[in-house]
Amino acid sequence: QQQVKQSPQSLIVQKGGISIINCAYENTAFDYFPWYQQFPGKGPALLIAIRPDVSEKKEGRFTISFNKSAKQFSLHIMDSQPGDSATYFCAASEGGQGGKLIFGQGTELSVKP
Amino acid sequence: DGGITQSPKYLFRKEGQNVTLSCEQNLNHDAMYWYRQDPGQGLRLIYYSQIVNDFQKGDIAEGYSVSREKKESFPLTVTSAQKNPTAFYLCASSQSRVSQPQHFGDGTRLSIL
Repeated sequence: QQQVKQSPQSLIVQKGGISIINCAYENTAFDYFPWYQQFPGKGPALLIAIRPDVSEKKEGRFTISFNKSAKQFSLHIMDSQPGDSATYFCAASEGGQGGKLIFGQGTELSVKP
Repeated sequence: DGGITQSPKYLFRKEGQNVTLSCEQNLNHDAMYWYRQDPGQGLRLIYYSQIVNDFQKGDIAEGYSVSREKKESFPLTVTSAQKNPTAFYLCASSQSRVSQPQHFGDGTRLSIL
């Protein structure tokens, strides 16, 4: 119930291509879905987040698509760049649980020049 | 600059020894969190605190202890009872108890001597 399942585990994309990472959840009480970007040796940094009353949110080259009925959400990185090479984590939280985040397992993205 | 400071960056523990990881934030956030990250895995919640002098166990609290005597500080002690302490430890904070963005420090890498 509390799990967030993320796929793929790793992803290789050519420069200029679209990177797509998917996450699925079971707990319908989740009300906040952030994506984090992490570089080696650093803490995760918030990239973009969505709440379930919206089906899509776009910030620059990053877009979250949210499908409430399917209990799935995904991150799209348009025009992927080598500097986007990092590990990406999806997460979810339930407001009544003190803001605790449940993280997916992570996707290691490599963008080839 | 506002942010979260974790220290030390690297820490080594001897057998039977307790070690304490420091986390300080100047964001005036109420809630603070400790996560453990193992290679190829997502972040797992150890402890969290929504308010000074109060904290709750997360999913993997065994072998760890915390205190929250000041709003700015949330130190984590890895006790000798934690048999597999080698990991990357991340501290985070958020503005309130409900689902809000969490901001992370740059972590402490703990290893066993």
